[in-house]
Amino acid sequence: NFLLTQPHSVSESPGKTLTIPCTRSSGNIDSSFVQWYQQRPGGSPTTVIYEYHQRPSGVPDRFSGSIDSSSNSASLTISGLRTEDEADYYCQSSYGSHWVFGGGTKVTVL
Amino acid sequence: QVQLVQSGAEMKKPGSSVKVSCKASGDTFKGYTVSWVRQAPGQGLEWMGRVIAVLGMPEYAEMFQGRVTITADESTETAYMELRSLTSDDTAMYFCARGSTSGWLVDYWGQGTLVTVSS
Repeated sequence: NFLLTQPHSVSESPGKTLTIPCTRSSGNIDSSFVQWYQQRPGGSPTTVIYEYHQRPSGVPDRFSGSIDSSSNSASLTISGLRTEDEADYYCQSSYGSHWVFGGGTKVTVL
Repeated sequence: QVQLVQSGAEMKKPGSSVKVSCKASGDTFKGYTVSWVRQAPGQGLEWMGRVIAVLGMPEYAEMFQGRVTITADESTETAYMELRSLTSDDTAMYFCARGSTSGWLVDYWGQGTLVTVSS
């Protein structure tokens, strides 16, 4: 088993670019796909990135995903920040078919 | 328009059980997995387990093994999550989510069901 560590919170101004890291504690980050979920206050999660960098239909290309083997981490990047991007973001990976979530990052758009 | 419609909020006593339903509207669970994820108040997401709808094969997170049962009824396009021996620590919002069997896309989530455990 392993842990996924995210910063508790990040903030940035509208129109800027923001990156959220998700670091895997053991095992290689590229050994199992990483997904990212957005959860607005009071809402259900929605998928913004799956399989490291794929975007579901309807998700704007302002959202992008990547991995960095040197830091054993995945990242979610949101460019052209909008106030509607204020939400909690969770990374998720797996061992076998079992999901592991990161602790979540609160994004504030100042 | 696909929706996963979950059953309503529940109030339970410690030691009792709860069964939450998740019905697919506008589409099907056939060929998909249904996962259950919970979120305690002010906390993060926690995976409980999943079922491959057509095969009816459940898998559970270790911390819920022996206390949770996840099923899917093809005929009614409804998935269920039953959690037994409830304690106050089980007070949470419970979400169902539909996922691909051939990849890692979760395309739809239910609206959530609040389960409150209190004496």
